[in-house]
Amino acid sequence: NAGVMQNPRHLVRRRGQEARLRCSPMKGHSHVYWYRQLPEEGLKFMVYLQKENIIDESGMPKERFSAEFPKEGPSILRIQQVVRGDSAAYFCASSPTREKLFFGSGTQLSVL
Amino acid sequence: AQTVTQSQPEMSVQEAETVTLSCTYDTSESDYYLFWYKQPPSRQMILVIRQEAYKQQNATENRFSVNFQKAAKSFSLKISDSQLGDAAMYFCAYRRTTGNQFYFGTGTSLTVIP
Repeated sequence: NAGVMQNPRHLVRRRGQEARLRCSPMKGHSHVYWYRQLPEEGLKFMVYLQKENIIDESGMPKERFSAEFPKEGPSILRIQQVVRGDSAAYFCASSPTREKLFFGSGTQLSVL
Repeated sequence: AQTVTQSQPEMSVQEAETVTLSCTYDTSESDYYLFWYKQPPSRQMILVIRQEAYKQQNATENRFSVNFQKAAKSFSLKISDSQLGDAAMYFCAYRRTTGNQFYFGTGTSLTVIP
């Protein structure tokens, strides 16, 4: 059973461009979480999704950020019109029951 | 609001020795989960150990054990017989039983000295 797959591992964008981060959960996992990690800080919750539904997006900025977890395919975290402050490591985690999180290796987003 | 505090930004331990990482949390809930995650240089977060608040017995996973003090809201991780592969960032995390969010501390960087 492959682990949580995130791609790309590194993503470089210029200010104003769009960033799309992909996450394929572990097989059989229907719960997906996105977290952001800034240097010297812990992980901050962004959004929690189940198949085709956003359950909790209380940690996600209201503007420019969106997430989806379609019936088929990976979960996508989309950041429009990126700014330098969006530079961070973005982690996806999946879970079969919400009791434990299984993390991917993250996507390091750098905004020039 | 739930918060998780790790007051030791860095710790070091001699190989084969024992080290304890501290974690405290703030909550008004009576039922919740606590976790320790390890983040090696590869960056992937790996679950080390989990504790359910309603269980009085401290969780143990091989060389890793916790000291869970519910009244003090303390959840420390003890690593016995430390190995070079234990070097990593360690994050303490909390989740309400009925909640969606996992709350993470700021981490402790553990160095293992050969």
